[in-house]
Amino acid sequence: ILNVEQSPQSLHVQEGDSTNFTCSFPSSNFYALHWYRWETAKSPEALFVMTLNGDEKKKGRISATLNTKEGYSYLYIKGSQPEDSATYLCAAGVGAIIFGKGTRLHILP
Amino acid sequence: ETGVTQSPTHLIKTRGQQVTLRCSSQSGHNTVSWYQQALGQGPQFIFQYYREEENGRGNFPPRFSGLQFPNYSSELNVNALELDDSALYLCASSLSQTGGRGEAFFGQGTRLTVV
Repeated sequence: ILNVEQSPQSLHVQEGDSTNFTCSFPSSNFYALHWYRWETAKSPEALFVMTLNGDEKKKGRISATLNTKEGYSYLYIKGSQPEDSATYLCAAGVGAIIFGKGTRLHILP
Repeated sequence: ETGVTQSPTHLIKTRGQQVTLRCSSQSGHNTVSWYQQALGQGPQFIFQYYREEENGRGNFPPRFSGLQFPNYSSELNVNALELDDSALYLCASSLSQTGGRGEAFFGQGTRLTVV
């Protein structure tokens, strides 16, 4: 069974602090890694798609890196703001698209 | 808004019944994927359709079936409903055949409750 693991499951961060979390995925048959932000009562919103080892993507204060050889991706948020509170999902394309369970981020005022 | 719409938004069914969920893809997208998200879990891949053909399937029994229409809208059908089928069902549309390289845009989901 192919598993995509995200850690931590939940995270509380003070407003203004920076944070990061991890997505681990099987490295065989890999072709893409997606990050989504899912706010309560909304649809998951695509943040990044990465395909190549060493890829780095950035959108405002959020960035992500990809290591396909060891099977992990990091998502970084710099200077957390209240609007960053959401569940962050990663999904690996390894044949089928397999989602992790998500990291729930809470920003504390 | 993603341009992907799902209907209905909420549904209550009795065990043993059948249900049809619908998804209208974003304009120009020819691939639709369906996911089940049980409480506390990440989305689980059910299957994907590309140009009206099933193009990949997750670990779901045959009573989960689907259709994609020429306009690329899609249906998910579940027969002989079980209590464990209670979940949020999401569809996502994308452009690429693999569904992995291109961005996928999600609908807001259908919340199915089986009693």
